[in-house]
Amino acid sequence: EAQVTQNPRYLITVTGKKLTVTCSQNMNHEYMSWYRQDPGLGLRQIYYSMNVEVTDKGDVPEGYKVSRKEKRNFPLILESPSPNQTSLYFCASGHEGGRLPHNSPLHFGNGTRLTVT
Amino acid sequence: AQKVTQAQTEISVVEKEDVTLDCVYETRDTTYYLFWYKQPPSGELVFLIRRNSFDEQNEISGRYSWNFQKSTSSFNFTITASQVVDSAVYFCALSEWTIAYQLIWGAGTKLIIKP
Repeated sequence: EAQVTQNPRYLITVTGKKLTVTCSQNMNHEYMSWYRQDPGLGLRQIYYSMNVEVTDKGDVPEGYKVSRKEKRNFPLILESPSPNQTSLYFCASGHEGGRLPHNSPLHFGNGTRLTVT
Repeated sequence: AQKVTQAQTEISVVEKEDVTLDCVYETRDTTYYLFWYKQPPSGELVFLIRRNSFDEQNEISGRYSWNFQKSTSSFNFTITASQVVDSAVYFCALSEWTIAYQLIWGAGTKLIIKP
């Protein structure tokens, strides 16, 4: 089954404790992206990746890191989480080639609800 | 600057009523794409439709229809004979030809269908 898998679904942590949210897709998509969703703000892009070893900042990259060492995986790293990073996070991937997302719809993971106390 | 406005924060209707979700966008590009996504209570985001700026034909898919009007910069979504399963948050999004790899999202409209 074609899917984007995020883990964990729920995560509660404390300020300053490094954490990683994993994302994996099995559709051979070149494009992957991380979003955060906050009430009244819709989805805001954190980072995206056009292909292996190619990443770029989105609208709200501060406090986050990503890596794309393999095509299928795109982990989101919070080196020193803070309470303002409490949010619902989504990983997404898109079809290969072209100027995404113009060509294809995005496939989303089920989300990770992060709480930082 | 590019922007997507979904002015309706929440809409509540009774089952079988028709309901329209509004989406107004701003862009300076002549080539762009518009999307609708659905987020049911379970939380996942599901693609519904994509429309490019050169195709103003309205789209109908079962009980769902979309009205794209460039003159008013709107891409509205209508559900006919709504059902409880239509309850979800609906997002409208914009991508521009000159800014690849990024979507501009509206804040979403929460639709509640009461039985």
